[in-house]
Amino acid sequence: QKEVEQNSGPLSVPEGAIASLNCTYSDRGSQSFFWYRQYSGKSPELIMSIYSNGDKEDGRFTAQLNKASQYVSLLIRDSQPSDSATYLCAVNTGGGNKLTFGTGTQLKVEL
Amino acid sequence: GAVVSQHPSWVICKSGTSVKIECRSLDFQATTMFWYRQFPKQSLMLMATSNEGSKATYEQGVEKDKFLINHASLTLSTLTVTSAHPEDSSFYICSVPAGTDTGELFFGEGSRLTVL
Repeated sequence: QKEVEQNSGPLSVPEGAIASLNCTYSDRGSQSFFWYRQYSGKSPELIMSIYSNGDKEDGRFTAQLNKASQYVSLLIRDSQPSDSATYLCAVNTGGGNKLTFGTGTQLKVEL
Repeated sequence: GAVVSQHPSWVICKSGTSVKIECRSLDFQATTMFWYRQFPKQSLMLMATSNEGSKATYEQGVEKDKFLINHASLTLSTLTVTSAHPEDSSFYICSVPAGTDTGELFFGEGSRLTVL
């Protein structure tokens, strides 16, 4: 069974700190990896996508991918209260745009 | 602006009735759309792939006769929950591929269904 695993949290960090969110996946053939942010009661919105090993930076967000370890992470620098949300890791495991989602990590940024 | 529009945002219905949810791709044509379901504090679970002009492809465990999907045009897919029961109460979200064939998706706003 193709799985994507995340710690459900909540992960609490103080404002201005770095939040580190982690995700592991089981299908070694996975090629595309995504981080979505979901506020309570809302639908997910794409934050980052990453396709090759290494780091990818976009503003305060950095996605990291290690295919050998089957591990993908999201770093949020200078965390803000508005970053408080559930972060969903998603993996394209079968191609054709089908995604498998993790259960999400709830992030709380405290003042 | 929104790329994908979903309607209604929320709906309350009586047990045994049917509910239709619409998903519209606003910015581009979509031969494929995806329908997800999310129960409280759980992740998104893919229900089915909606294919324009042909039958939908359902994931294992999803009843195709209960969750009717119609994708009659390149910009509209509908999900009808037939004979809804309280256990069908959930957050239903449609999505449209971004066109990169990598799995990047745009999501609709979601429809929260409550069955009394």
